[in-house]
Amino acid sequence: DGGITQSPKYLFRKEGQNVTLSCEQNLNHDAMYWYRQDPGQGLRLIYYSQIVNDFQKGDIAEGYSVSREKKESFPLTVTSAQKNPTAFYLCASRRTSGRALETQYFGPGTRLLVL
Amino acid sequence: EDQVTQSPEALRLQEGESSSLNCSYTVSGLRGLFWYRQDPGKGPEFLFTLYSAGEEKEKERLKATLTKKESFLHITAPKPEDSATYLCAVPGGNNRKLIWGLGTSLAVNP
Repeated sequence: DGGITQSPKYLFRKEGQNVTLSCEQNLNHDAMYWYRQDPGQGLRLIYYSQIVNDFQKGDIAEGYSVSREKKESFPLTVTSAQKNPTAFYLCASRRTSGRALETQYFGPGTRLLVL
Repeated sequence: EDQVTQSPEALRLQEGESSSLNCSYTVSGLRGLFWYRQDPGKGPEFLFTLYSAGEEKEKERLKATLTKKESFLHITAPKPEDSATYLCAVPGGNNRKLIWGLGTSLAVNP
């Protein structure tokens, strides 16, 4: 089955700790995205990557970092600089065929909680 | 500034009571619009892509339409399993990012 997997489903972070959220896709998509979702605020873009070894900041990149060493994988690290990390984190991917409208497909999400 | 607004924020229907959700947008040069459904604690699930004004698409009890200023998601004779948050999004200026609405939370009572 093709799809996007995110792990873990729940993640607990202690004060001053960096944590890494995993996102893997086997859809052969070039572009991958990380969103943060808070109640009443909708989906906000953290980082995105159009191709391996390249990524761009989204609207709320401060306190986060990413890497894109493999086409299938786009891990997100929530650093200690992110003071309010409690949220639902969503990973998405899409093809980049040159058409303007390629659908983004989402993973099941990771809920990050602060201890 | 590109913007997407969804209304109402929340909608409660009785089973079988048809209604519509609205997604209005202000973007320069609309290149289409997406509709998604999101259940609590899960990732958004893709429903429809509408490419140009006048286009309509249907899936079971859902029908999406698009004009030059807005899109409607019509729900005909809804069932409790249609309860979810419905999100719409349009491509941003560089086509690399989507601009999202805040969603409409739909509850269908049996």
